[in-house]
Amino acid sequence: GENVEQHPSTLSVQEGDSAVIKCTYSDSASNYFPWYKQELGKRPQLIIDIRSNVGEKKDQRIAVTLNKTAKHFSLHITETQPEDSAVYFCAATYSGGGADGLTFGKGTHLIIQP
Amino acid sequence: DVKVTQSSRYLVKRTGEKVFLECVQDMDHENMFWYRQDPGLGLRLIYFSYDVKMKEKGDIPEGYSVSREKKERFSLILESASTNQTSMYLCASSIWDRLNTEAFFGQGTRLTVV
Repeated sequence: GENVEQHPSTLSVQEGDSAVIKCTYSDSASNYFPWYKQELGKRPQLIIDIRSNVGEKKDQRIAVTLNKTAKHFSLHITETQPEDSAVYFCAATYSGGGADGLTFGKGTHLIIQP
Repeated sequence: DVKVTQSSRYLVKRTGEKVFLECVQDMDHENMFWYRQDPGLGLRLIYFSYDVKMKEKGDIPEGYSVSREKKERFSLILESASTNQTSMYLCASSIWDRLNTEAFFGQGTRLTVV
């Protein structure tokens, strides 16, 4: 089955700086790569996703890049703000229209220092 | 707004008890999932279902079973609870569509087995 590795487990950055979280996956059949944000005591929520036919996707201050050859994808957050503090999870799956359970990384605790 | 509701926020059960965790979604989603979340381990897929009465094992099904008698409801059953099943349990749902695979999560049930 799929295996997703995520690094780092904890990331502390100064407010206004950029943050990068990296993930690798093992199954070359995976074609859908979402990122979820989980604030303390809350449910995970999708913040951005990318499919294997695209190399990069941006949404305001967040962007995701995908390198299919190397089987890795990354989340980039620019101009970090206090509300970016949370645990971020990457995930991978083969999306063929069915119920494809996501395989998650172990999470990155992002801390924004004032 | 998609709403995924789990019946309990907190549960305390005794070792050996049969435990039912209930999840209901109100968006007519075909797919439903049960994940377990543990610190440092991320979210791990226990079981999923793509239709009424259909179920598929995830990555860690041992000690669990599921039931889906109605489209909107997906139950996780611990046949004989053990202390190593103390965890946060998250239910999720998604639509059956290869282009739209966002998973919507419930608020979680924190189960303690004593």
